[in-house]
Amino acid sequence: DTEVTQTPKHLVMGMTNKKSLKCEQHMGHRAMYWYKQKAKKPPELMFVYSYEKLSINESVPSRFSPECPNSSLLNLHLHALQPEDSALYLCASSQEGQGHPMNTEAFFGQGTRLTVV
Amino acid sequence: ELKVEQNPLFLSMQEGKNYTIYCNYSTTSDRLYWYRQDPGKSLESLFVLLSNGAVKQEGRLMASLDTKARLSTLHITAAVHDLSATYFCAVDPYTGTASKLTFGTGTRLQVTL
Repeated sequence: DTEVTQTPKHLVMGMTNKKSLKCEQHMGHRAMYWYKQKAKKPPELMFVYSYEKLSINESVPSRFSPECPNSSLLNLHLHALQPEDSALYLCASSQEGQGHPMNTEAFFGQGTRLTVV
Repeated sequence: ELKVEQNPLFLSMQEGKNYTIYCNYSTTSDRLYWYRQDPGKSLESLFVLLSNGAVKQEGRLMASLDTKARLSTLHITAAVHDLSATYFCAVDPYTGTASKLTFGTGTRLQVTL
C-alpha cells in the first residue's frame, strides 16, 4: 500500500473560520510533510515531522498550525487565513533518512484544494 | 540556498518526436526524484535516482543523474499524447534527517498529434 489519503479534497472557508486538513498513511513512514502549491508553481515545503516531532518549519505564518498525533496521522489546522493562502495543500510521507543515506522518496496524497473567501 | 532550475519551462512537441528536459541544481546532492503532475492532480513519482551515473527507464521516459555536473535529464522517446503533463524534478540535499525536497520550476509538456 503506497497510499497517502487526504481529506477533504476541497475546502472553502471564510477568513474568520477555523478548519483542519487531515492526512493519513499506513506505509510505516516516520517522516511526514506539508507542501503548498500555488497555481502553475512548484510545491513549496511548509513543515516536516520526523518521528512525530516537528523538525522543519519553513517560516510558515502562525495561522497554519501542524499537528502529528501519531506516526500515521498529520493534521494542518487553519485559522484566520487570507485569500492569498488559497492553494493546493499536499501531504506526503517518506522513510526517514537519519544516520545514513537512503531512499527518501516522498509519496504524495491527492491534495486538498483550499479556497479562502 | 539550494536552487533547482528546469528547462525548458514549456515544451510543445509532436507525437513521435524525441526531446530532453534538463534539471540543474546548485548544491551537492545524490538524491534526485522526478514527478509527474496532471492538471488539478497530485504528484506521481516517476523515478528515484540515488547515485552518480544512475539511469532509470520506464516506457518512453528515461532519467539520468550526473552528480558531478549537478544535472539530471528526463528523455522522452517517441512522445505520445498521454505524456502531456507537467514534470518536476526535486532534489533532496540530505541533511541526515527527513527529506527536504526542493522542486524545480517544472516543465509543462504538451504533445500534439
